[in-house]
Amino acid sequence: DAKTTQPNSMESNEEEPVHLPCNHSTISGTDYIHWYRQLPSQGPEYVIHGLTSNVNNRMASLAIAEDRKSSTLILHRATLRDAAVYYCILRGEETSGSRLTFGEGTQLTVNP
Amino acid sequence: EAQVTQNPRYLITVTGKKLTVTCSQNMNHEYMSWYRQDPGLGLRQIYYSMNVEVTDKGDVPEGYKVSRKEKRNFPLILESPSPNQTSLYFCASRRRGHKSSYNSPLHFGNGTRLTVT
Repeated sequence: DAKTTQPNSMESNEEEPVHLPCNHSTISGTDYIHWYRQLPSQGPEYVIHGLTSNVNNRMASLAIAEDRKSSTLILHRATLRDAAVYYCILRGEETSGSRLTFGEGTQLTVNP
Repeated sequence: EAQVTQNPRYLITVTGKKLTVTCSQNMNHEYMSWYRQDPGLGLRQIYYSMNVEVTDKGDVPEGYKVSRKEKRNFPLILESPSPNQTSLYFCASRRRGHKSSYNSPLHFGNGTRLTVT
């Protein structure tokens, strides 16, 4: 299974942009890149996903490198509520068994 | 409200005493799965189910059983719990589309913290 690599931790200041990187050098052509986050004492929640093109939604933006070997989750204005563990995962084809490997993610700290 | 509900939230038990953690979703999702979360190991998939009566092993299935008799429910069964199964467990579900829409997001429950002494 293709794996992802993320920094263990990152720090940001409130109301500043945050760029969370993810490397996935062994990504296959049909893998989607998904991002989830986990707030303290909660289950993970979906943030955004993409295949090749950059994507935007109300929570964040996803920038995908042209070779798809890396991606960056962008929080445009970090708030204290954005402090969480962020997971970058790859979703393969439906018929591949739907195994999902989350890894340890990036712990984001947001300073007031 | 669309949600995945796990019960109980906290459970303390003793080695060998059979237990069941329930999981229910109200979104008519075909796909459901169980994860355990341990410090330093991230989230690891235990079992998953693509639809009713269809289940398959994830990365760490040893010591666990599941069943999928109804679409909405996916209980996790520990026939003989051991201390190494002390962990935080999450149930998740998602819509299963046809091949071009397999990117539907996962919805997670709020977790069950299990302690086996």
